[in-house]
Amino acid sequence: EVQLVESGGGLAQPGGSLRLSCAASGFTFSSYAMNWVRQAPGKGLEWVSAISGSGGSTYYADSVKGRFTISRDNSKNTLYLQMNTLRAEDTAVYYCAKNPGVLWSYMDVWGKGTTVTVSS
Amino acid sequence: VFWMTQSPSLLSASTGDRVTISCRMSQGISSSLAWYQQKPGKAPELLIFAASTLQSGVPSRFSGSGSGTDFTLTISGLQSEDFATYYCQQYYSFPWTFGQGTKVQIK
Repeated sequence: EVQLVESGGGLAQPGGSLRLSCAASGFTFSSYAMNWVRQAPGKGLEWVSAISGSGGSTYYADSVKGRFTISRDNSKNTLYLQMNTLRAEDTAVYYCAKNPGVLWSYMDVWGKGTTVTVSS
Repeated sequence: VFWMTQSPSLLSASTGDRVTISCRMSQGISSSLAWYQQKPGKAPELLIFAASTLQSGVPSRFSGSGSGTDFTLTISGLQSEDFATYYCQQYYSFPWTFGQGTKVQIK
């Protein structure tokens, strides 16, 4: 069974950092592009970042560019999101989601999410 | 950036109704559009990709249509489990963008 499990969320102060992880199982992790998508409380979905299967290509939303870094460790089947210089508006549930293949595409499997709260 | 206008934002309907949700793009995206369903406190689930292809396991009462700039999600015969929020998403060009969402509630 394909499964994605996020962790690492919690409370952070404005200007602080957090690193989110997403443990993948049930598929050949290195063969699939991956994404982070977030949802602020009571709001809609916002795509945050994407990374290719090899990790060689990455993309970011303008709202996080320069502050967040997506990466992956294919030997550990794990996706990461390093979040620096956090702002109150980064408060959200963060989901990891896989693409159906190596090509950039829609998101066919989602994790349950991890909650990030940025507050003093 | 490929902006999306999803409408309506709120839709009141009864079980058995046929409902349609619209997603309009600021620029053409061919058929690179997906639809997701999200229930409260849960992660989104993929319903349709490539504008009209039903994801495996999704009931056939869901259908999608359109290409270019105008897309529609139709639910034919609304069931109780379909009351949820629906989002469109374009994957034609980065940054990926989502519609604002349509909440389907019981009339």
